[in-house]
Amino acid sequence: GQNIDQPTEMTATEGAIVQINCTYQTSGFNGLFWYQQHAGEAPTFLSYNVLDGLEEKGRFSSFLSRSKGYSYLLLKELQMKDSASYLCAVRDADSSASKIIFGSGTRLSIRP
Amino acid sequence: KAGVTQTPRYLIKTRGQQVTLSCSPISGHRSVSWYQQTPGQGLQFLFEYFSETQRNKGNFPGRFSGRQFSNSRSEMNVSTLELGDSALYLCASSLAGANQETQYFGPGTRLLVL
Repeated sequence: GQNIDQPTEMTATEGAIVQINCTYQTSGFNGLFWYQQHAGEAPTFLSYNVLDGLEEKGRFSSFLSRSKGYSYLLLKELQMKDSASYLCAVRDADSSASKIIFGSGTRLSIRP
Repeated sequence: KAGVTQTPRYLIKTRGQQVTLSCSPISGHRSVSWYQQTPGQGLQFLFEYFSETQRNKGNFPGRFSGRQFSNSRSEMNVSTLELGDSALYLCASSLAGANQETQYFGPGTRLLVL
């Protein structure tokens, strides 16, 4: 089957660091995405990992371990505007035409 | 470069009616994917179109259908609407779909079925 798990909600303090975990079980694998979605808005692309390791992009970093079916998104120097839902998504490459499967999202609240 | 556009942005329908939603991808993008987003189920894949052909399909009933035109614009249709079809419908475009690293989402169409 196909399953993507991430925490439903998290809370962190402005200026701090937060790590959002994602575990997945899919028939195939051809990349993992992280998206940010503010309330009432469309998701926006944050990162893409297809090989193991850490990808850093400014205040955001994403890590992937394919053998463990595990990824995390690390947000540093948190700002109030980082309050949003963070969606983990996996490209399942089981068939010739792959599709992207989304987790339910982690709602992150930043407190002053 | 203009982003992904979707029309209409908001729609109210009653049970049993049908609805057509439209999506215009980023210029040059040939792949359009459609998703349904609800608070309970999250983002669920409906289908993907590439060069006017449906390339992949999610686990939705046949009431949900779509098509893509030669200019890559796409429409999705839902017939015999049910209350549970109330959701945010998002489309996303990418250059070639399956092996591209990212999709760009439109603002969505919020559908309310009464």
